[in-house]
Amino acid sequence: QVQLVESGGGVVQPGRSLRLSCAASGFTFSSYGMHWVRQAPGKGLEWVAVISYDGRNKYYADSVKGRFTISRDNSKNSLFLQLDSLRTEDTAVYYCAKTAMVFAVLQPGDYWGQGTLVTVSS
Amino acid sequence: DIQMTQSPSTLSASVGDRVTITCRASQRITSWLAWYQQKPGKAPKLLIYKASSLQNGVPSRFSGSGSGTEFTLTISSLQPDDFATYYCQQYNSFSYSFGQGTKVEIK
Repeated sequence: QVQLVESGGGVVQPGRSLRLSCAASGFTFSSYGMHWVRQAPGKGLEWVAVISYDGRNKYYADSVKGRFTISRDNSKNSLFLQLDSLRTEDTAVYYCAKTAMVFAVLQPGDYWGQGTLVTVSS
Repeated sequence: DIQMTQSPSTLSASVGDRVTITCRASQRITSWLAWYQQKPGKAPKLLIYKASSLQNGVPSRFSGSGSGTEFTLTISSLQPDDFATYYCQQYNSFSYSFGQGTKVEIK
């Protein structure tokens, strides 16, 4: 069965960096685009970034463009999110999600991980 | 960017009620709309994609309709497991914007 497990969250000071990982199993990882979506405490869902199945195409929310970088390693069935220049408003649970259709990026997330909490605080 | 607006923000209903949630897009998105259910402390669960297609394993009491800019999620007979927050999301453009959510509470 599809499994997505995020890791790498924690407490970090404003302006510092963090790298999140998402380990995928149960499906052909190299055939699917992958999303990162976040949720601030008590708030709604906010889409963060998406990467195509082959890593060639990446898209970002305006709120993180230039600060966050999405990447993947298909040989290790892993997705990453590099968070730089962190701000207090980046505090959230970060979820990875698999796109619903093979080889497509403009798709919703059909399987989600359990999330990893990032807290940005001095 | 495309803005998604859900209504109502909160809905109080009883088991067995028919429930309808509306989602409006700030510009046309044809049928590129998904609905999710989220329970406290859990990841979102995909219910509906392409406005009206039921995701595998989702009960048939859930249905979606609409196209263009106006969409609805209907629960035909609310069950105890359905009390949760529901989100719409457009995937017509690379902003993938979500609605603000609709919390379905026990009346």
